[in-house]
Amino acid sequence: GQQVMQIPQYQHVQEGEDFTTYCNSSTTLSNIQWYKQRPGGHPVFLIQLVKSGEVKKQKRLTFQFGEAKKNSSLHITATQTTDVGTYFCAVQSGAGSYQLTFGKGTKLSVIP
Amino acid sequence: GAGVSQSPSNKVTEKGKDVELRCDPISGHTALYWYRQSLGQGLEFLIYFQGNSAPDKSGLPSDRFSAERTGGSVSTLTIQRTQQEDSAVYLCASSRGLVYGYTFGSGTRLTVV
Repeated sequence: GQQVMQIPQYQHVQEGEDFTTYCNSSTTLSNIQWYKQRPGGHPVFLIQLVKSGEVKKQKRLTFQFGEAKKNSSLHITATQTTDVGTYFCAVQSGAGSYQLTFGKGTKLSVIP
Repeated sequence: GAGVSQSPSNKVTEKGKDVELRCDPISGHTALYWYRQSLGQGLEFLIYFQGNSAPDKSGLPSDRFSAERTGGSVSTLTIQRTQQEDSAVYLCASSRGLVYGYTFGSGTRLTVV
């Protein structure tokens, strides 16, 4: 099945700094999803990217899907303490599969 | 209901005992998934139900694990003869279609002592 490498594993930023997490695949992806898990909480769906080169924004969050559909990024501008948590990317486990394989996540800490 | 409901929220059990974890998905969601998450780790797929199709059990780690979904709604994950390595948070999710993403429940934290 599909595998994704997510980097970095951890990121500590000063409040107000930007943050980016990356997901990379060796194979072409049909789509990619992003989730956020707050400390002690459960993953919450943020967005799905489908098209090559797609860019979507949600307030301070910018999601990109690479032109080759093999990588994706999540960028947060001017982090706030509310952004703390672990960000996961997730991809379909196989063609036409409804099952997702999750990356290992990037844990974001924001220093006030 | 408004969200995915899981019970119990916490379960402490003795090694060797059986446990049942329950998941009540969002009404109308045809897909239901079980994942587990060990402390500080990622999400490990366990099993997936889609409508009336046979479940995808490919992620179950051993034959001590089983799950059923009755009437296309509530699901129960059963772990027999629990071991300490079964300690984790068991997350249930449901979906009405992949484009909408998964909606996760709050999970059951299982501790085997």
